[in-house]
Amino acid sequence: NAGVMQNPRHLVRRRGQEARLRCSPMKGHSHVYWYRQLPEEGLKFMVYLQKENIIDESGMPKERFSAEFPKEGPSILRIQQVVRGDSAAYFCASSPVEASTDTQYFGPGTRLTVL
Amino acid sequence: KNQVEQSPQSLIILEGKNCTLQCNYTVSPFSNLRWYKQDTGRGPVSLTIMTFSENTKSNGRYTATLDADTKQSSLHITASQLSDSASYICVVSEGSGGSYIPTFGRGTSLIVHP
Repeated sequence: NAGVMQNPRHLVRRRGQEARLRCSPMKGHSHVYWYRQLPEEGLKFMVYLQKENIIDESGMPKERFSAEFPKEGPSILRIQQVVRGDSAAYFCASSPVEASTDTQYFGPGTRLTVL
Repeated sequence: KNQVEQSPQSLIILEGKNCTLQCNYTVSPFSNLRWYKQDTGRGPVSLTIMTFSENTKSNGRYTATLDADTKQSSLHITASQLSDSASYICVVSEGSGGSYIPTFGRGTSLIVHP
């Protein structure tokens, strides 16, 4: 059973471009969470999704950021018109049931650099 | 505002020694508290999860404690190994009835020297 997969591992974009980050949860996991880790800071919750539904997006900026978890395929975190402040490590985690009391499994992260 | 404060910010110990990391939180309503280990350049790995009714949880050489009255938790590492060098993150989740809104501490950076 492969772990949580994220790709790409490193992504470089120029200001104004779009960034697409992919997350494939562990097999059998239908709950996906996205987090952002800015340099020298702790992780921050962004969004929680179940298959085809956004459960909680209270941590995600209202503009330029969107997330989806389609019925088939990986979860996608999309950042439009990137700015330098978007440079960070973006982690995805998955769990088999809602993570209120269950273990989350994290992916290796995608490191986004905006030039 | 929900906050999780960890101390110390960094810690250097010799291999074989024990250490204790601290976590204070102001998250309310409390749902659960987790400790994670994060190696450099990797995603966090879960060590322990504790709910309100639990005051201690062990995972091998790692033992976490929780005092819900004082809103403090500690992570004790016994007989440290070089591979314990990592960042240890305390995460407290808010909510009840299954809601999951986590607040992360900044972590304690632990370095174990031979």
